[in-house]
Amino acid sequence: GQNIDQPTEMTATEGAIVQINCTYQTSGFNGLFWYQQHAGEAPTFLSYNVLDGLEEKGRFSSFLSRSKGYSYLLLKELQMKDSASYLCALYTGGFKTIFGAGTRLFVKA
Amino acid sequence: DSGVTQTPKHLITATGQRVTLRCSPRSGDLSVYWYQQSLDQGLQFLIQYYNGEERAKGNILERFSAQQFPDLHSELNLSSLELGDSALYFCASSMSGRSDNEQFFGPGTRLTVL
Repeated sequence: GQNIDQPTEMTATEGAIVQINCTYQTSGFNGLFWYQQHAGEAPTFLSYNVLDGLEEKGRFSSFLSRSKGYSYLLLKELQMKDSASYLCALYTGGFKTIFGAGTRLFVKA
Repeated sequence: DSGVTQTPKHLITATGQRVTLRCSPRSGDLSVYWYQQSLDQGLQFLIQYYNGEERAKGNILERFSAQQFPDLHSELNLSSLELGDSALYFCASSMSGRSDNEQFFGPGTRLTVL
């Protein structure tokens, strides 16, 4: 089976940089997603990593290391609107996407 | 607005009852996914349909069933409802049958079982 671990909550300051980690144990997977979800709303796609390395998209970057079973989402120049849950998810093949429990990020002024 | 629509937005019902949740995917998307999100469980993949056929099955209970119709809209049927079925049910769609496509989520249906 698959196991995905993320910190439950994090707090950071407006304008700062925050790194949200995701570790996983799986026998194999095709890629790793990051989604953002504001409270009571639908998740929205942030990134999808297939290869090891860093992928940058504006203020958000996502990193994957398959050998270490580890990914992170990096958020720069934090804004209050970035307060949300961040979900790490594995696309395991067999057409299944398995989500972690998510990390709730609080951005304070 | 993702382009995915779900109805109803809220549903309150009693234990033992049966309900149907409806989802219309984005125009052009052939895949529909159903997820359940409860406070203690996170987002759980239930089932995926691609162009009318079941493609993948996750942690879907036998009391739950789904289908995708020729016009590509989908319905999730929940029967013999229990208190623990109270959750937010999301539908998502993507263009292809592969889950590595970005999935676009609908606004969800909040189900409360009393």
